[in-house]
Amino acid sequence: AQSVTQPDIHITVSEGASLELRCNYSYGATPYLFWYVQSPGQGLQLLLKYFSGDTLVQGIKGFEAEFKRSQSSFNLRKPSVHWSDAAEYFCAVVSGGGADGLTFGKGTHLIIQP
Amino acid sequence: ETGVTQSPTHLIKTRGQQVTLRCSSQSGHNTVSWYQQALGQGPQFIFQYYREEENGRGNFPPRFSGLQFPNYSSELNVNALELDDSALYLCASSLQRKGDTQYFGPGTRLTVL
Repeated sequence: AQSVTQPDIHITVSEGASLELRCNYSYGATPYLFWYVQSPGQGLQLLLKYFSGDTLVQGIKGFEAEFKRSQSSFNLRKPSVHWSDAAEYFCAVVSGGGADGLTFGKGTHLIIQP
Repeated sequence: ETGVTQSPTHLIKTRGQQVTLRCSSQSGHNTVSWYQQALGQGPQFIFQYYREEENGRGNFPPRFSGLQFPNYSSELNVNALELDDSALYLCASSLQRKGDTQYFGPGTRLTVL
């Protein structure tokens, strides 16, 4: 069965510093990968997605992610974080078996220090 | 373009009751997926509807059921509510069922007492 691991439950970063959030997946075929962001009490907003092609994908709000098949990873990066980036971040992969429900990781809670 | 909307925003029920949650998909989207997000967890896939038919299901019991209507809006019904059903229920719509981006609504917060 497919799975997604986000090893870091919490990450604290100073405003203006760079950010990397880790995501590892387990999936038999070529995955479709996503990063979503969730602010408190809100739904999920899509940051970026990878289906195929260029392994470095650009998203909204200055985020990017790199797909590395050899490491089964899809890490999210941002060169300089802003206080408004504080939120919960979820990595997700499309599941197989005929149902296209997303399989999510448990999330990484990002805290921004002034 | 109208995004995904869900109603109600919040709901409180007691154990054993039944509940219906509603979702209006984004304009032009024919696929709706439902997710359950417990506190501090990632969302878990409940099921997906494509053109009024259940297209796939996650690991949820039959007391979780759904409908999709000709206008592609959808309902999630949960019977015999249990305390563990307390969660944020998220609806997502997409343009097609296979491999397309899912756009999420704001969710319905269900509390079971």
